[in-house]
Amino acid sequence: QKEVEQNSGPLSVPEGAIASLNCTYSDRGSQSFFWYRQYSGKSPELIMSIYSNGDKEDGRFTAQLNKASQYVSLLIRDSQPSDSATYLCAVWMDSSYKLIFGSGTRLLVRP
Amino acid sequence: DTAVSQTPKYLVTQMGNDKSIKCEQNLGHDTMYWYKQDSKKFLKIMFSYNNKELIINETVPNRFSPKSPDKAHLNLHINSLELGDSAVYFCASAGGVSYEQYFGPGTRLTVT
Repeated sequence: QKEVEQNSGPLSVPEGAIASLNCTYSDRGSQSFFWYRQYSGKSPELIMSIYSNGDKEDGRFTAQLNKASQYVSLLIRDSQPSDSATYLCAVWMDSSYKLIFGSGTRLLVRP
Repeated sequence: DTAVSQTPKYLVTQMGNDKSIKCEQNLGHDTMYWYKQDSKKFLKIMFSYNNKELIINETVPNRFSPKSPDKAHLNLHINSLELGDSAVYFCASAGGVSYEQYFGPGTRLTVT
């Protein structure tokens, strides 16, 4: 089992829709979770961090964490073509002092 | 002001050569990292330094040698380059207790 798993996609949604990106992780003791956005040819950009169970909202982005199910998700409301990118889920492993990345989900927002 | 910067942005070289990549951060962070992103876009940690001290050294060939002259700089020297070293190398930094990491623009290394 991979430490952090994401569906590679592409996830295709129409402009204005809600995009839902999912991530599962294997280390039950993990406490810190991050979503990064990476445009083609660019570096990963931190867009959300979440540490507690529940929802965290920032503008059009909502991160959701369920530690019991070892599940993290990112919702993007009112999706725009400019949101088209690869979204990387990352989990901090306290046991090894490492940030482990999933392989990323490619999001395509159709105009 | 660029928070995490890397030079060079592109590096094209032949097999067997030695090359270096430099990274600097002006965020005042204590911890810096090197990541490798392969052609399948998988991002994997290589090294981590905290205040000039090596913390993480993944199973990376010893042809790769990081050096941190101070906590704002982390360089990566690669000896005897191989075709499989072709990738994008990212530097990142983190500070405080949040574990949030901020990435540099990346160095695309192509070995021919």
